[in-house]
Order: sequence, then C-alpha cells, then structure tokens
Amino acid sequence: QQQVKQSPQSLIVQKGGIPIINCAYENTAFDYFPWYQQFPGKGPALLIAIRPDVSEKKEGRFTISFNKSAKQFSLHIMDSQPGDSATYFCAAGRGNQFYFGTGTSLTVIP
Amino acid sequence: EAGVVQSPRYKIIEKKQPVAFWCNPISGHNTLYWYRQNLGQGPELLIRYENEEAVDDSQLPKDRFSAERLKGVDSTLKIQPAELGDSAVYLCASKTSGASNEQFFGPGTRLTVL
Repeated sequence: QQQVKQSPQSLIVQKGGIPIINCAYENTAFDYFPWYQQFPGKGPALLIAIRPDVSEKKEGRFTISFNKSAKQFSLHIMDSQPGDSATYFCAAGRGNQFYFGTGTSLTVIP
Repeated sequence: EAGVVQSPRYKIIEKKQPVAFWCNPISGHNTLYWYRQNLGQGPELLIRYENEEAVDDSQLPKDRFSAERLKGVDSTLKIQPAELGDSAVYLCASKTSGASNEQFFGPGTRLTVL
C-alpha cells in the first residue's frame, strides 16, 4: 500500500506564478511532513517541514498547508522563479521512518 | 561541516557482475539510510541502521543485496549479482538521534546495469 500519494506528476508555470503540489498520506500516526527539493544529479535537500499541530508554515517563498482531518498537505511556491525548476518530493513519517511521494517535476518558464 | 559522502558517483557494469557502494554519513549521525530511486520516482527505503544495527531491512532484496555498517559510521551496500532492473540511483542519507527529524542526503550513486 502506497503510504504517500503525490500529484501532479509534472507542472509548468510562468515566472511569478504559484505552483501547488499536493500530497495525501494514510497513516494517522505520522507526525512529520517534509518537502524535499532535488536538482538533477543531486540528492534531495530539505526545503520545509511541518508537524500536524499547525495548519500552515511559511519559510520565505515556500508555504506548507496542512489539513489533518483530510490527511492532506500541500506545497505552495510564491513568486516562482526559473531557479525553482526542480523535482519536489513530499514525505511523511514518524521518528526515523519515512515514506516518500513519487515526485513532481516543476518547470518555471522565464 | 561536510555532508554525506558517497562513492562512486557513477557505475556501469554488466549484468551478473557484483557492485558495491560506499557511504560516509555526517559525523555524529547515528541513523543511516540506503534508498533506491528509480527514474522519475521517489526514494524507496532499502535499509535503515541505528548505529551498527539494521533495524529495518524489510525492503532489501536479501537474495542479492547486502549491507553492513560495522563500526556504526561508514556503510557499504552490495549487489551480487546485479540484474538489469537494478539500474537506479542509490542514495544514502543520515540523521541525528536527537529531536530533529531532518534527513541529509548524499549525491547518490547512479548505477547502470547493461
């Protein structure tokens, strides 16, 4: 059973647009929900993370919205830039155990 | 502070050959992960170590894959014999045993099996 489902698979936006990537999880015991950014040839790097006791977290241009009752969370990128073009992965887990989504390839057109 | 180091970065082998990947985690990180990332997919856990103990190896294909972390620091992942379907990026990640949940990933080893 897939623990974390991510959509869309790919996304193309114009510079300045607000891409939104969605994830849904299964296990209500999960208490940590990170988003990772991965550039070609590099390992994933933590972008922003949230715990289920808050509904939103913002760091710079990146915002996570969290809906505990729906078991869903999403990443919003404000004022997107061409340098944001990368693959984004959501993940969910508890303690030292994590499950990753399948990734979203984002392209920001200048 | 140095990040997670992996070597080699790229490896091309023929099927049925053995291959080994090496990972040096961030100093002081007790938890070490090996993930496999297929093209266009997210990382999938192969094995997780807490110090030198493998605490989650349920997804490791034990007929051909093996791993070790003898002194609780460096780790090696081996495939013998390799199959065509093993072509993927093998990622190593580490984290502290403290309150932070953040994993730090290495750059990965891209394996191509011909």
